Amino acid sequence: SQQGEEDPQALSIQEGENATMNCSYKTSINNLQWYRQNSGRGLVHLILIRSNEREKHSGRLRVTLDTSKKSSSLLITASRAADTASYFCATAANTGNQFYFGTGTSLTVIP
Amino acid sequence: DTGVSQNPRHKITKRGQNVTFRCDPISEHNRLYWYRQTLGQGPEFLTYFQNEAQLEKSRLLSDRFSAERPKGSFSTLEIQRTEQGDSAMYLCASSRQGNYNEQFFGPGTRLTVL
Repeated sequence: SQQGEEDPQALSIQEGENATMNCSYKTSINNLQWYRQNSGRGLVHLILIRSNEREKHSGRLRVTLDTSKKSSSLLITASRAADTASYFCATAANTGNQFYFGTGTSLTVIP
Repeated sequence: DTGVSQNPRHKITKRGQNVTFRCDPISEHNRLYWYRQTLGQGPEFLTYFQNEAQLEKSRLLSDRFSAERPKGSFSTLEIQRTEQGDSAMYLCASSRQGNYNEQFFGPGTRLTVL
């Protein structure tokens, strides 16, 4: 069974707006990662946050992690039409072993 | 292209047939993973290799599934006696020593079992 659950399941916003999606997980983790998947394609790694970190930035991406609530959020600022994709969080209990993926948030950015 | 490649990209087969997929990881990556993804869901872990050793297998990997990585480079995933429930996207990923946390995914093989 999958460990993570993202919400919302689907999100539709106008270009230029910010998009926030959340991920909750069930067990202790070593790290949490966010991936993007364009329709019918493989996954692209976006950002990794370790269990001892609370916030991380990469370009227009901002990730937070609250291990006490077992949750993470991904913020995409100034969204673009090219950001349209599904976004998944993935957790790892140990370094580099199997990842547990959530069910994903489908983001649509309307030009 | 030095990314992860998978072949074939699409496979349509009849129930009961055997199918084999191939994954070529990034050349310096010693870990290779297989995942299965059904429509509207996230990828589910199947198995992973470190070099040629298969180190972990999911309960999802029934005895009809077998994966190999004989020389520690490319890997094959075989499904015997396919069932309609095997229809899914099969994703391969690889990662390198020193940065196992970042898995690079291939484009996937979409299997349709009729």
